[in-house]
Amino acid sequence: QVTLKESGPGILQPSQTLSLTCTFSGFSLSTYGMGVGWIRQPSGKGLEWLANIWWDDDKYYNPSLKNRLTISKDTSNNQAFLKITNVDTADTATYYCARITAILPYYVMDAWGQGASVTVSS
Amino acid sequence: DIQMTQSPASLSASLGETVSIECLASEGISNDLAWYQQKSGKSPQLLIYAASRLQDGVPSRFSGSGSGTRYSLKISGMQPEDEADYFCQQSYKYPLTFGSGTKLEIK
Repeated sequence: QVTLKESGPGILQPSQTLSLTCTFSGFSLSTYGMGVGWIRQPSGKGLEWLANIWWDDDKYYNPSLKNRLTISKDTSNNQAFLKITNVDTADTATYYCARITAILPYYVMDAWGQGASVTVSS
Repeated sequence: DIQMTQSPASLSASLGETVSIECLASEGISNDLAWYQQKSGKSPQLLIYAASRLQDGVPSRFSGSGSGTRYSLKISGMQPEDEADYFCQQSYKYPLTFGSGTKLEIK
């Protein structure tokens, strides 16, 4: 059974760095073709893809967040991480991590975590 | 970036009714299109991938079709548990992009 769970600070102030952790089970990020993605959703709004990291440590970022994002992984502890620097109120959202599975030639986000709510407020 | 234009933004359907939701990509995405269902307060769940492949465990009343730039999700026989938000998403090119969503309610 595949499970993912996001954790984060809950509340932080503008200009701080947001650090999120995705702890997962039921798969390994060292397996060929496997990946983890981060997606966020402001309350009542749509979904925005943020970043992906792959089994081979390849990384992709949403350029709309410019250089504020850093994605990483700890394969031995089944965790993936996302950092967002210099947050402001527009970063207030629920943050999801999702497993990405290779069903070649497609890559599919087939399992999602429950989400971590993050509020940026002074 | 590939823009995903999803329609309608909302719709209501009677139980047993067949409903369709559409996504139009700003360029061809070679069937690299997924549909997700998100119930209130929950995380998105994968319904369809590769435009028409049903994810394991998803009821067969859900189906996907399309090609090129036009894709659709059909629910054949609306059920109470289908009341949710639905999103399309392309994985053809980075950055990955989602449609704006469709809110489906029971009439």
